[in-house]
Amino acid sequence: AQKVTQAQTEISVVEKEDVTLDCVYETRDTTYYLFWYKQPPSGELVFLIRRNSFDEQNEISGRYSWNFQKSTSSFNFTITASQVVDSAVYFCALSGSIRGKLIFGQGTELSVKP
Amino acid sequence: SAVISQKPSRDICQRGTSLTIQCQVDSQVTMMFWYRQQPGQSLTLIATANQGSEATYESGFVIDKFPISRPNLTFSTLTVSNMSPEDSSIYLCSVEYPDRDEQYFGPGTRLTVT
Repeated sequence: AQKVTQAQTEISVVEKEDVTLDCVYETRDTTYYLFWYKQPPSGELVFLIRRNSFDEQNEISGRYSWNFQKSTSSFNFTITASQVVDSAVYFCALSGSIRGKLIFGQGTELSVKP
Repeated sequence: SAVISQKPSRDICQRGTSLTIQCQVDSQVTMMFWYRQQPGQSLTLIATANQGSEATYESGFVIDKFPISRPNLTFSTLTVSNMSPEDSSIYLCSVEYPDRDEQYFGPGTRLTVT
């Protein structure tokens, strides 16, 4: 069975702090895909990144970075120098052999205070 | 990014009635997906809609309750039938672009059943 665990339910930081959101996954598929989405208070789901299981290279996009480690089945997300606009619920998700079918974690609510 | 629109954006419906939600995509896609997000919860896949064939439903979801149409490669509808307050959720459609390594969600339909 596939499963995504985001153990951190809520995180609160002060602006400009760095923050890491944890994501641990379980799957028996050899080919799979990992995602991160942002859901701000307005409710829409914003695509941030997709990684396939054969690409363990870390990714950096501006203040965002992702650390994919197959050895620990983790795909963690770091925001550097956080801003108030980063306040949102962040979801980690997994899809396996059937592309498009996502299994979501429970989400981490990030609150960045000024 | 993709342009995905949903109608209606929100609705308040009475118990026992049905609501049809429309999803329009700006480009042709093979598969479209319907997800549900119950209040304060994560997202759960309802079904996968392929053009020209019957939708494939996930465990816990049935066609009589959530009939889906997929008349062409850019459009799909999800009907929530014989609604009860437990159906109050956000319903989102999603499309996957394999050539772009991306998966996007529509803005969602916020349904409240009274």
